[in-house]
Amino acid sequence: AQSVTQLGSHVSVSEGALVLLRCNYSSSVPPYLFWYVQYPNQGLQLLLKYTTGATLVKGINGFEAEFKKSETSFHLTKPSAHMSDAAEYFCAVLPSGGGADGLTFGKGTHLIIQP
Amino acid sequence: DTGVSQDPRHKITKRGQNVTFRCDPISEHNRLYWYRQTLGQGPEFLTYFQNEAQLEKSRLLSDRFSAERPKGSFSTLEIQRTEQGDSAMYLCASTLYNDGYTFGSGTRLTVV
Repeated sequence: AQSVTQLGSHVSVSEGALVLLRCNYSSSVPPYLFWYVQYPNQGLQLLLKYTTGATLVKGINGFEAEFKKSETSFHLTKPSAHMSDAAEYFCAVLPSGGGADGLTFGKGTHLIIQP
Repeated sequence: DTGVSQDPRHKITKRGQNVTFRCDPISEHNRLYWYRQTLGQGPEFLTYFQNEAQLEKSRLLSDRFSAERPKGSFSTLEIQRTEQGDSAMYLCASTLYNDGYTFGSGTRLTVV
């Protein structure tokens, strides 16, 4: 069974500061990895994904994440936070061979941007 | 491509009533998923369709829940005899290959 752990249910950063949201996964084989963002009362929007190839993945809105197999991590970063980044962020995994249960999500991290 | 559409966006119902939600996936996507999200939690898998076949259903899903995807197009999720614990956001997602899921905006259900 796969699982996802997101460290920190709430993360607060100042506008212009580095954003770092942590995600660790548990899986018997390296899975596909995803980050989604959710704004209030909205669905989930894909920020970026890792399937194969380059371990540093760039996504939308200036976000990027690096897959580190040895650390079973897929942390999300952004060099400079913007007020519009305030939202809920979810890390998710999918078995690389596909899985009938689809994505398994972490509990989410609420990102707060302070002016 | 108009994305994944869900209807209604919000539903308030009295306990014991039946409700039905609809999801229209991206037309070329053959896989469709339903998830439930409660406050402060990540989405939780409910059920999965490949074309019109329901291939997987969460063990946590009550018998009061049923889903269909006739003709492999839109899908409906019905909850019978709703309970207050059913209050949640119900999300639909579709995909063609397992490398990217597109989510709808969800249906927020409130059972009073």
